[in-house]
Amino acid sequence: AQTVTQSQPEMSVQEAETVTLSCTYDTSENNYYLFWYKQPPSRQMILVIRQEAYKQQNATENRFSVNFQKAAKSFSLKISDSQLGDTAMYFCAFMKQAGGSNYKLTFGKGTLLTVNP
Amino acid sequence: DTAVSQTPKYLVTQMGNDKSIKCEQNLGHDTMYWYKQDSKKFLKIMFSYNNKELIINETVPNRFSPKSPDKAHLNLHINSLELGDSAVYFCASSLKRGGRETQYFGPGTRLLVL
Repeated sequence: AQTVTQSQPEMSVQEAETVTLSCTYDTSENNYYLFWYKQPPSRQMILVIRQEAYKQQNATENRFSVNFQKAAKSFSLKISDSQLGDTAMYFCAFMKQAGGSNYKLTFGKGTLLTVNP
Repeated sequence: DTAVSQTPKYLVTQMGNDKSIKCEQNLGHDTMYWYKQDSKKFLKIMFSYNNKELIINETVPNRFSPKSPDKAHLNLHINSLELGDSAVYFCASSLKRGGRETQYFGPGTRLLVL
């Protein structure tokens, strides 16, 4: 079974600074996907960024970027120019093909990020 | 608005009751999911349906019965509610397109069993 580990239960950063959230995973699969989801106090689960394992290039979405190290099974999220609205719980998630054409997400336990003014 | 919607957003009920949570997506997706988020914020998949067919059932008690009347809807019915069922339940949907599947989540339903 796949496992996803987020070793930082909580982190804080000053507004406008950069912060990196860690994520490691364990799998014997070669083809899979990795995601970061954000859950603000509103409780909505919002996709931040995704990475296909077969791609060597790290994914980037505006201020959000990842450092994907496939051999090390590491998938960290970097948030640049942190904003107050980035305050949220961040979940790292792994997806492999579960059966047929369907996939299921396996989540880490989350990192609570607080951006301080 | 195109989205995944859930009703109700909040549900407070007594132990032993039966309740349902509804989920609808108008994204044209063919796969829908139910996830449970416990009090420690841990998210875990419960069920997955593809074109109304059950694909994933993750050792969930049979008091939980998903029903998919069509591929745009996936409802969750819970019989004989227990205190441990208190959680936030998220519906999600996805479409496999060239292997670039991404799941989009509804707003969640907070269930409190008293």
